[in-house]
Amino acid sequence: DVKVTQSSRYLVKRTGEKVFLECVQDMDHENMFWYRQDPGLGLRLIYFSYDVKMKEKGDIPEGYSVSREKKERFSLILESTSTNQTSMYLCASSPLTGGLTEAFFGQGTRLTVV
Amino acid sequence: KNEVEQSPQNLTAQEGEFITINCSYSVGISALHWLQQHPGGGIVSLFMLSSGKKKHGRLIATINIQEKHSSLHITASHPRDSAVYICAVKIYIGRGSTLGRLYFGRGTQLTVWP
Repeated sequence: DVKVTQSSRYLVKRTGEKVFLECVQDMDHENMFWYRQDPGLGLRLIYFSYDVKMKEKGDIPEGYSVSREKKERFSLILESTSTNQTSMYLCASSPLTGGLTEAFFGQGTRLTVV
Repeated sequence: KNEVEQSPQNLTAQEGEFITINCSYSVGISALHWLQQHPGGGIVSLFMLSSGKKKHGRLIATINIQEKHSSLHITASHPRDSAVYICAVKIYIGRGSTLGRLYFGRGTQLTVWP
């Protein structure tokens, strides 16, 4: 059973704290993605990575950074959280093998910044 | 500007009704995904298609590449079908022919009453 695992389901942090969201996949996928999901806006791409130590900005990278030191692990870093980063964060992975490749999603981390 | 438009945003049905959710997109794509998200956050892939029609149980997905339109149908709807349904299109992003990313519609909240 293929799996994308996010380290936390729920997090509550204070403004200004540093937050690490971890994502691990066991499918040997090259591509990994971080999204945030907000009501009425759908999923928006923050960062993605197509290989170890590679990263690309998505549509809303401001306030975030990422790390991919190993193929199976993709971390999203919020250096100094703000209340507007309260959201559902979803990680996904997919193989690098052409167009018709399925994406697999983690269960999501609901982050609340107070 | 959103590359993927989904309708309706909210849909309420009685158990047994036939349901259709529509998705239109504005760019050339390599594939289209229909995703399901239950309360709690996890997203699962229902269909991935690049042409024609696919069927899985009571769910049917169709795509018309020329018209840039896809539909998700649910026959004999059931309360357990209540979820958010998300359309996503995969677009190559230019770094070789195998690197793609997803653009998402804003989702359709389906509620099926017994």
